[in-house]
Amino acid sequence: DTEVTQTPKHLVMGMTNKKSLKCEQHMGHRAMYWYKQKAKKPPELMFVYSYEKLSINESVPSRFSPECPNSSLLNLHLHALQPEDSALYLCASSQDPPGQDLNTIYFGEGSWLTVV
Amino acid sequence: AQSVTQLGSHLSVSEGALVLLRCNYSSSVPPYLFWYVQYPNQGLQLLLKYTTGATLVKGINGFEAEFKKSETSFHLTKPSAHMSDAAEYFCAVSDKDGGATNKLIFGTGTLLAIQP
Repeated sequence: DTEVTQTPKHLVMGMTNKKSLKCEQHMGHRAMYWYKQKAKKPPELMFVYSYEKLSINESVPSRFSPECPNSSLLNLHLHALQPEDSALYLCASSQDPPGQDLNTIYFGEGSWLTVV
Repeated sequence: AQSVTQLGSHLSVSEGALVLLRCNYSSSVPPYLFWYVQYPNQGLQLLLKYTTGATLVKGINGFEAEFKKSETSFHLTKPSAHMSDAAEYFCAVSDKDGGATNKLIFGTGTLLAIQP
């Protein structure tokens, strides 16, 4: 069973709505990630947080706003999304620095987002 | 720049037959290598990983992979396929420099179907 928990599992939102995706991990990891996955495609990296600070933003549109309130929590705030943003959003975490777990990234079950 | 190539986007095998999923990487130095599995409508689960040491790596669910530096390959095998193995399989690499700023590079994935 995954130790990265994501809520909600499914979300349907209109293009004018504001919603948030939430992620929690209790593995003591200090790096947390958001990935976006479209059907039949590999995951694409969106954001990386290291020690609660944003370290990578892969040129993601500003309608996606990440937040890391503490070392266990990661949020993705959504506003004014487009239908093409419909996808599976995966949260992940890893040790930082890598330590004994050497770069292993652990994924949650994902949140299925549909924008109508 | 690192890259990962998975030969064949689809593979169909009979139940009980050998499963062989191919992965080749391109890297100036041997990277860390991973296989992830994604069951329908779920997140990514780590199958196995190679970091250092023994080149034959055993993972969960009877899968194993062998790191061959001379061939820059990390093929995934299972001696006898089971119906429950039907899923998408992703090969991925990351740099040995480690840290949260390091990115996981995914292959395009292979969808494995098991025929009864």
